[in-house]
Amino acid sequence: SQQGEEDPQALSIQEGENATMNCSYKTSINNLQWYRQNSGRGLVHLILIRSNEREKHSGRLRVTLDTSKKSSSLLITASRAADTASYFCATDRGSTLGRLYFGRGTQLTVWP
Amino acid sequence: EADIYQTPRYLVIGTGKKITLECSQTMGHDKMYWYQQDPGMELHLIHYSYGVNSTEKGDLSSESTVSRIRTEHFPLTLESARPSHTSQYLCASSEHSMNTEAFFGQGTRLTVV
Repeated sequence: SQQGEEDPQALSIQEGENATMNCSYKTSINNLQWYRQNSGRGLVHLILIRSNEREKHSGRLRVTLDTSKKSSSLLITASRAADTASYFCATDRGSTLGRLYFGRGTQLTVWP
Repeated sequence: EADIYQTPRYLVIGTGKKITLECSQTMGHDKMYWYQQDPGMELHLIHYSYGVNSTEKGDLSSESTVSRIRTEHFPLTLESARPSHTSQYLCASSEHSMNTEAFFGQGTRLTVV
């Protein structure tokens, strides 16, 4: 069954705008991760945020985590056409075994 | 680029054929995984391994089988391919410790006709 649920399912913006994607989950977690997938390719890891962290930054990416609401958000600032991809959140459901559970992703399209 | 490789990238094969999808990683990771993904959908775990001679079935029932004879190699086999097996198959690996990222291969797009 699906763990993370990304919202929105699709997002279309202009270059230079910010893109915000949300993820909700249902169980306890040790960490939450965000991945990016270009069409027909494998996933690339973006950021891992631990359950005791509230915010993390990496370049133009900002991730927040609210464990009380079981939700996370990914903000991409100053979007570029090259950011066009699907973005997935994944959680470990509190397991230490390394298995990840993915949502259906948000398809982001950035128009030049 | 992650040091995890999948071959072939694309495969079109007839019903009833036996196929093996290859996955190799050079990072020395103990944990390896196979995910299945249909277009626009989430990834479903079908097999995983925590080390040599360790294999477990994932959450999505699959008629495929896997083996882990060497740390770096985690092939997936379908004894008799069917059109319902048409999908993208993604291999991943991660370190043994908790709170670690997964590294994905480029995927194999399988079409069974």
